[in-house]
Amino acid sequence: QVRLVESGGGLVKPGGSLRLSCAASGFTFSDYFMSWIRQAPGKGLEWVSYISGSANTIYYADSVKGRFTISRDNAKNSLYLQMNSLRAEDTAVYYCVRASGMDAFDIWGQGTMVTVSS
Amino acid sequence: QSVLTQPPSASGTPGQRVTISCSGSSSNIGSNTVNWYQQLPGTAPKLLIYTNNQRPSGVPDRFSGSRSGTSASLAISGLQSEDEADYYCTAWDDSLNGVLFGGGTKLTVL
Repeated sequence: QVRLVESGGGLVKPGGSLRLSCAASGFTFSDYFMSWIRQAPGKGLEWVSYISGSANTIYYADSVKGRFTISRDNAKNSLYLQMNSLRAEDTAVYYCVRASGMDAFDIWGQGTMVTVSS
Repeated sequence: QSVLTQPPSASGTPGQRVTISCSGSSSNIGSNTVNWYQQLPGTAPKLLIYTNNQRPSGVPDRFSGSRSGTSASLAISGLQSEDEADYYCTAWDDSLNGVLFGGGTKLTVL
């Protein structure tokens, strides 16, 4: 069945780096836009980044621009998020999400927790 | 602070009809489609309504969406206890070149 599984979360110090991965299965990965969406503890959802199927279109939220890099490997059915210069306010559950069309997020992973703390 | 404004809370009794509003601007709801998500406690969000008023397969027809001008709304009829969840609206924003989420509405079934 259609599935997204995130990995790579954990505890990191402020200013540190972390790379999240997302393994996709059950659909033709390269046909879809993909996104990362996060949710801070007890807070609402925040869109983080977006990449087209061929990776020629990429967008970032202003809050992460210049610090985070989204990428994908269609041969490996995988999505990535390289997070640098991490701040306490980046602490959140990060969801890997499939986008049907531009922004209808129809398949969600279970999420991976990122905690930025000294 | 979200640019899409939702009421923080809503409530209703079983069987009632409730609506949740989502207010935006000309650069988001006014020019792009609106989607709605349901997040049950402790779970990942689920797409509830896409393209303003379309339901994905498996979503009951008790859920409906509409958009008018720079606002949108989600209606839930025949309210059930399992509808108790957080609800979020989203829309693409042409000025920000990104997706905006509303702040979320916590629905309580009394």
